[in-house]
Amino acid sequence: EAGVTQFPSHSVIEKGQTVTLRCDPISGHDNLYWYRRVMGKEIKFLLHFVKESKQDESGMPNNRFLAERTGGTYSTLKVQPAELEDSGVYFCASSQDSARGLYEQYFGPGTRLTVT
Amino acid sequence: GEDVEQSLFLSVREGDSSVINCTYTDSSSTYLYWYKQEPGAGLQLLTYIFSNMDMKQDQRLTVLLNKKDKHLSLRIADTQTGDSAIYFCAESRLTGGGNKLTFGTGTQLKVEL
Repeated sequence: EAGVTQFPSHSVIEKGQTVTLRCDPISGHDNLYWYRRVMGKEIKFLLHFVKESKQDESGMPNNRFLAERTGGTYSTLKVQPAELEDSGVYFCASSQDSARGLYEQYFGPGTRLTVT
Repeated sequence: GEDVEQSLFLSVREGDSSVINCTYTDSSSTYLYWYKQEPGAGLQLLTYIFSNMDMKQDQRLTVLLNKKDKHLSLRIADTQTGDSAIYFCAESRLTGGGNKLTFGTGTQLKVEL
């Protein structure tokens, strides 16, 4: 079974540009999460999708960040326009339906975003 | 509020036991997790414990949970050089069919020969 995949693995952009990160969850996982780790700090929750619906987006830092999950499969996270403080590693994770008692959350390798 | 704390570094000799500690503040946490991150890799789920349990053992890994003190620990028996990595503890709260994780800063484990 393929794990969570993320693309690209590394992105370097200039301040003011736009970047789109992609996450493909494990097949059949309804829940998809985005997290990010800014250099030297904790991994912070950004948002949670259940299928195509945003369940919790309380961690999104501001309106420069837009996440979508059309069709309930893969998800994209767009940063527009990017700022220096957006640099960090963006992780995606997925899990099955927790109503079935399945709470394991599996992470992708992350996308390292560098804004110069 | 939600806050998870870990010490930043731990160094042990190969063959010894490693104990990585974590404290959390959210008493409503349902599950507590340990993740491992090796250099250049993503987060690997090592183990997790339900909040009504005191202990969970899985091969070389032992997780102890003191819910009263909100203290979680991960013991690695017979630590090997391949165990060198960053270890993150995380607490979770159920939210709308899923579980939102709050992570600590991570503990860098260095295993010396």
